[in-house]
Amino acid sequence: GAVVSQHPSRVICKSGTSVKIECRSLDFQATTMFWYRQFPKQSLMLMATSNEGSKATYEQGVEKDKFLINHASLTLSTLTVTSAHPEDSSFYICSAGTRSKETQYFGPGTRLLVL
Amino acid sequence: AQKVTQAQTEISVVEKEDVTLDCVYETRDTTYYLFWYKQPPSGELVFLIRRNSFDEQNEISGRYSWNFQKSTSSFNFTITASQVVDSAVYFCALRGLGAQKLVFGQGTRLTINP
Repeated sequence: GAVVSQHPSRVICKSGTSVKIECRSLDFQATTMFWYRQFPKQSLMLMATSNEGSKATYEQGVEKDKFLINHASLTLSTLTVTSAHPEDSSFYICSAGTRSKETQYFGPGTRLLVL
Repeated sequence: AQKVTQAQTEISVVEKEDVTLDCVYETRDTTYYLFWYKQPPSGELVFLIRRNSFDEQNEISGRYSWNFQKSTSSFNFTITASQVVDSAVYFCALRGLGAQKLVFGQGTRLTINP
């Protein structure tokens, strides 16, 4: 159990376009989902916490209008990188948890390359 | 403030050697959770273990073992008889009771050479 999927696994886009990344909890209902960003050879940086049915809570320094997060159901959260630029190229990972599950389970990640 | 320190940036050993990955944490919470995750080259974070602060019993799972010492705020991870497939980046993380966020260490890149 506790499987989290992410789609797409890899995306290449042109500068100025928007990219949507989906995160799904496949076998449990996730009341909370988290979005992380990871640069090469670095640790995970939390971008935002998303609770189902409410607005996401963004970490300091993360642009809300740039990284749009929607958590419309207990099994799906989406991250949209708007007007992507080359500096947005990174590895984006989501995780999901519930109040009863004390452990966060991570998706396989999405590699974004903006040209 | 909470903090997790993994002082070992990179470790390289020969297959079949035992290796210990260190994790030291800081928290003012009296109840908290500690985690270890493995990140192989594919990128996905694989959950390895969760330990509650009120349970200091060490745990063994196959070749993996964890030593939790509250007195030194450490939660070290040992791999016995290492294998090439153990090569990955390993992250130690902390979460306070009632908190949602995980605080990650910087990770230790482990390379097992044949």
